[in-house]
Amino acid sequence: GAVVSQHPSRVICKSGTSVKIECRSLDFQATTMFWYRQFPKKSLMLMATSNEGSKATYEQGVEKDKFLINHASLTLSTLTVTSAHPEDSSFYICSARALNSYEQYFGPGTRLTVT
Amino acid sequence: GNSVTQMEGPVTLSEEAFLTINCTYTATGYPSLFWYVQYPGEGLQLLLKATKADDKGSNKGFEATYRKETTSFHLEKGSVQVSDSAVYFCALNFGNEKLTFGTGTRLTIIP
Repeated sequence: GAVVSQHPSRVICKSGTSVKIECRSLDFQATTMFWYRQFPKKSLMLMATSNEGSKATYEQGVEKDKFLINHASLTLSTLTVTSAHPEDSSFYICSARALNSYEQYFGPGTRLTVT
Repeated sequence: GNSVTQMEGPVTLSEEAFLTINCTYTATGYPSLFWYVQYPGEGLQLLLKATKADDKGSNKGFEATYRKETTSFHLEKGSVQVSDSAVYFCALNFGNEKLTFGTGTRLTIIP
């Protein structure tokens, strides 16, 4: 089956620094990737949708200058949390979808802790 | 807009008990419906899906039937195991649009 990986699985960073999270589709070409944020005991909140080679589409209320998304290839998308603050601590999950497919495949998630 | 309402948890059951987790949706038209499962510390995995009315999705002993009359997609399993302990999310979408998730239901199975 389709496999999506995320790296790192856990990251701790200091307040004010930036951290990059990678999402890779390992065995298929992902024309679309999605980034979600999950708060403790809550559902997933879609942050943005990225299509390979074009700018990401951000959901209402998500700061595009703070959460930079790049989808430069068909197998890699990155989320960079800039100038991180403790309130950015969360579980970030990506998903990927192939061309002409309706199914999303989810990565295992990245736990970000900002101290 | 589209929305998904799930049974609030947490749900705690004994091993071999019957499980139902309710899910209803609001949407214009007939979306595809999904159940995802999230094991502790992991991302979501697709458990089952149904793409049209009266379809039944099934996997790993879990079942859900797409009921357009009641706009529901309840998840059921006849005999749960400890390994079924996880958070279950109901979701919908239209074609290749974004998924809309319910709030999730935490299930704990005790031996």
